[in-house]
Amino acid sequence: DGGITQSPKYLFRKEGQNVTLSCEQNLNHDAMYWYRQDPGQGLRLIYYSQIVNDFQKGDIAEGYSVSREKKESFPLTVTSAQKNPTAFYLCASTPGLGRGPYEQYFGPGTRLTVT
Amino acid sequence: GQQVMQIPQYQHVQEGEDFTTYCNSSTTLSNIQWYKQRPGGHPVFLIQLVKSGEVKKQKRLTFQFGEAKKNSSLHITATQTTDVGTYFCAGSGNNNDMRFGAGTRLTVKP
Repeated sequence: DGGITQSPKYLFRKEGQNVTLSCEQNLNHDAMYWYRQDPGQGLRLIYYSQIVNDFQKGDIAEGYSVSREKKESFPLTVTSAQKNPTAFYLCASTPGLGRGPYEQYFGPGTRLTVT
Repeated sequence: GQQVMQIPQYQHVQEGEDFTTYCNSSTTLSNIQWYKQRPGGHPVFLIQLVKSGEVKKQKRLTFQFGEAKKNSSLHITATQTTDVGTYFCAGSGNNNDMRFGAGTRLTVKP
């Protein structure tokens, strides 16, 4: 089945540690995105990538880093510089270049808790 | 920059009652999308509206895009317990810069 996978589903880390969230898609989509979801705030864009080896900052990129070495993979690293990292992280992809008006396909998400 | 406001934040209805969520943008949108996120799940695409004044229906769901392309609504007729979840709108401007609303969380009492 085609789709987007994110692992792990739940992740626990101590404050001060970097942590990398995985996102893989086999939809052959060009563009991939990372969102952060907090209660009552909807989805906020962290980073996006329209093509391999290229990515752009979203609205809340501070404290995060990404890479896009392969078309199907777009890992997100939450660094110790992120002041409030506990959140639900969603990865998404779209078929074409640009951020719209394509339907966004979301992965199941990773719930990160930092204590 | 472009902002998308969505109201209400929460809505609790009795099964069988209707439900509406509204989305408003500070700028003219090129298109608007709607997504549903079930509790514990991830957002799933419902529909996209592109034309001014457009109305689309999916069974009990009716989606509207305003004439000025600055607002949109999702109306559910005769809600069912399966409608429970959070409904998000997502609007894009001319530069395809998509922004999500905060969502409306719907709960349905059987």
